Amino acid sequence: DGGITQSPKYLFRKEGQNVTLSCEQNLNHDAMYWYRQDPGQGLRLIYYSQIVNDFQKGDIAEGYSVSREKKESFPLTVTSAQKNPTAFYLCASSMQGTYGYTFGSGTRLTVV
Amino acid sequence: AQSVTQLGSHVSVSEGALVLLRCNYSSSVPPYLFWYVQYPNQGLQLLLKYTSAATLVKGINGFEAEFKKSETSFHLTKPSAHMSDAAEYFCAVSVLRSGTYKYIFGTGTRLKVLA
Repeated sequence: DGGITQSPKYLFRKEGQNVTLSCEQNLNHDAMYWYRQDPGQGLRLIYYSQIVNDFQKGDIAEGYSVSREKKESFPLTVTSAQKNPTAFYLCASSMQGTYGYTFGSGTRLTVV
Repeated sequence: AQSVTQLGSHVSVSEGALVLLRCNYSSSVPPYLFWYVQYPNQGLQLLLKYTSAATLVKGINGFEAEFKKSETSFHLTKPSAHMSDAAEYFCAVSVLRSGTYKYIFGTGTRLKVLA
């Protein structure tokens, strides 16, 4: 079945370490997105990519980096520059247009 | 600027009662509107979407929503709540910006179903 796979589901890291969250889709979707979710704040867009080798900053890109070397993959790196990285991270993909998103099941990152 | 407002961050209903979750949007052009549901520690699942066809949209799990342009609303309803409906619900709008569609999400409404 087609879908989006995020791994790992839970991730613990020490403060000051970079960490990379994986997102893979087999839906043949062109666009991919990373969102951060905090209680009471809804979803905030970190980065998005509409085609391979191209991506744009979202509303809260500081302290994060991404790459899009393959259509299927859109990994997110949370760097040590991110001041408050503990959150639930959601990856999504879509066809161009108005079809809505397909979401992965999320990665909960806890930095201690 | 386009935006989405969900009235009520928490809503409680009794099992079997009507569910009404409110969503108002702000858009200068006809929007595309969506409702998503999120269960704990899960991603968001699409419930239904409005893309300028019928104004009353039926979705999964017995939910439906009505697009009312005059009220700029897209409220989500279900005639009879079930315990399994307890989750967080997000309204979203898709608007065309710089040649691509951007999605804006509301801050969510957590639905509690009382036995």
